[in-house]
Amino acid sequence: GQNIDQPTEMTATEGAIVQINCTYQTSGFNGLFWYQQHAGEAPTFLSYNVLDGLEEKGRFSSFLSRSKGYSYLLLKELQMKDSASYLCAVSDSNYQLIWGAGTKLIIKP
Amino acid sequence: GAVVSQHPSWVICKSGTSVKIECRSLDFQATTMFWYRQFPKQSLMLMATSNEGSKATYEQGVEKDKFLINHASLTLSTLTVTSAHPEDSSFYICSASPGGSYSGANVLTFGAGSRLTVL
Repeated sequence: GQNIDQPTEMTATEGAIVQINCTYQTSGFNGLFWYQQHAGEAPTFLSYNVLDGLEEKGRFSSFLSRSKGYSYLLLKELQMKDSASYLCAVSDSNYQLIWGAGTKLIIKP
Repeated sequence: GAVVSQHPSWVICKSGTSVKIECRSLDFQATTMFWYRQFPKQSLMLMATSNEGSKATYEQGVEKDKFLINHASLTLSTLTVTSAHPEDSSFYICSASPGGSYSGANVLTFGAGSRLTVL
């Protein structure tokens, strides 16, 4: 079956760095997405990786290793507004998005 | 950027009534839209793929007669929850991709979501 695994919850301190991991097992691979979702709101797009390596976008970076079925989202200089759930999603061979359950990130002052 | 508008943001209804949720692509045409449901502390669950001018494609386990989807134009899809029951209470979210039917790097843009509470 198809599976996306990410930690349920993480806690970090304002100003610090946090890495949210995502491992996947899917039938085919056409890219991996990270979305941010604040409580009670819809997800917003953060990043897309289809090739191995690191993609940097401001305070957020996303890494992909296709051979390991692994990705991480790196958040630097954490701010209180970064408190949210972070969803990992993989596009499979049929271009269907398979969603992880999300990682709830709690930022403490 | 691409904008998807969803209405209403929240709705409370009595058990047995029907509720309609609208999803509009404001600045692009969407031949395909997606409807998701999300229960508290759970991830998004795809309910159905809405295709303009044709029948929606429902995911396994989703009752098509209960969740009616109409995609009558390139900018509007509606989801009607018929004979709603308390277990239908959830967060319903629509999405669309400016690139047409979702594929590859085409990024999904989500509506703001509709929180349904059935009493």
